[in-house]
Amino acid sequence: QKEVEQNSGPLSVPEGAIASLNCTYSDRGSQSFFWYRQYSGKSPELIMFIYSNGDKEDGRFTAQLNKASQYVSLLIRDSQPSDSATYLCAVNAQAGTALIFGKGTTLSVSS
Amino acid sequence: GAVVSQHPSRVICKSGTSVKIECRSLDFQATTMFWYRQFPKQSLMLMATSNEGSKATYEQGVEKDKFLINHASLTLSTLTVTSAHPEDSSFYICSARSRTSGGSNEQYFGPGTRLTVT
Repeated sequence: QKEVEQNSGPLSVPEGAIASLNCTYSDRGSQSFFWYRQYSGKSPELIMFIYSNGDKEDGRFTAQLNKASQYVSLLIRDSQPSDSATYLCAVNAQAGTALIFGKGTTLSVSS
Repeated sequence: GAVVSQHPSRVICKSGTSVKIECRSLDFQATTMFWYRQFPKQSLMLMATSNEGSKATYEQGVEKDKFLINHASLTLSTLTVTSAHPEDSSFYICSARSRTSGGSNEQYFGPGTRLTVT
C-alpha cells in the first residue's frame, strides 16, 4: 500500500515567521512530488512541484526533497495570515498515474 | 497556468435521481483526467482515472455502475452519479494532466462540485 504521511497539525506560526511542513512517502520508486494548498470549501491549488533531490525555490516557498530519506518538505517564508490553509503533499510514481495524497497539514498564521 | 472548469459548482438532488458533473480543460488538451471525492475534514480520495477514448479505471471499492465516467474528448470528461443516495453527498473534484507536458506530471484541479443528496 503506497502511503503519504503528513502531520495533521494544526501548525501555528506568527505572521512573518517561517512555516515548515513535512511529508514522508512509502514508495521508494516515486518520481514526482507536489505541494497543494486547499482553502476550506475549495479545491486544491498547485503551489510547487519538485522532481530532483535538493531545494527548489519559488518566491516565498521552498520545496526540499530527499529521496534517500523519502522525505519532502515545504518552507513558507514570511508567513502571512492568507497562507492559513490545509497543505496537501502529493506523490506520483510515474507520469500519467494519479497522485497519492497525504491527509494534509493545517497551517494557521496569526497576525 | 492550466485552467480546469467544472459544472455545476453546486447541486442538490433528491435521492434516487442521477446527477452529471462536467470537467473541462479550457486551455490545454488533457490526455488523462482524474476524479476525486472529498468528505468533510478528510483528504482527497481517488475514484477513477479517465483516459480519452478508453474506459475509465476505477479504484477499489468504487462502483463503476454507480459512478459512470465518460471521457469523450481531450477537453471533456463527465462523471454521472446514478441513483444518488444521501451517503453520496460529497465534494467531487476532477483534475487533468496536460497532453503537452512531456515528461512533467503536473495535474491541475477543477474548482469542485458540491453534491448534496436529500
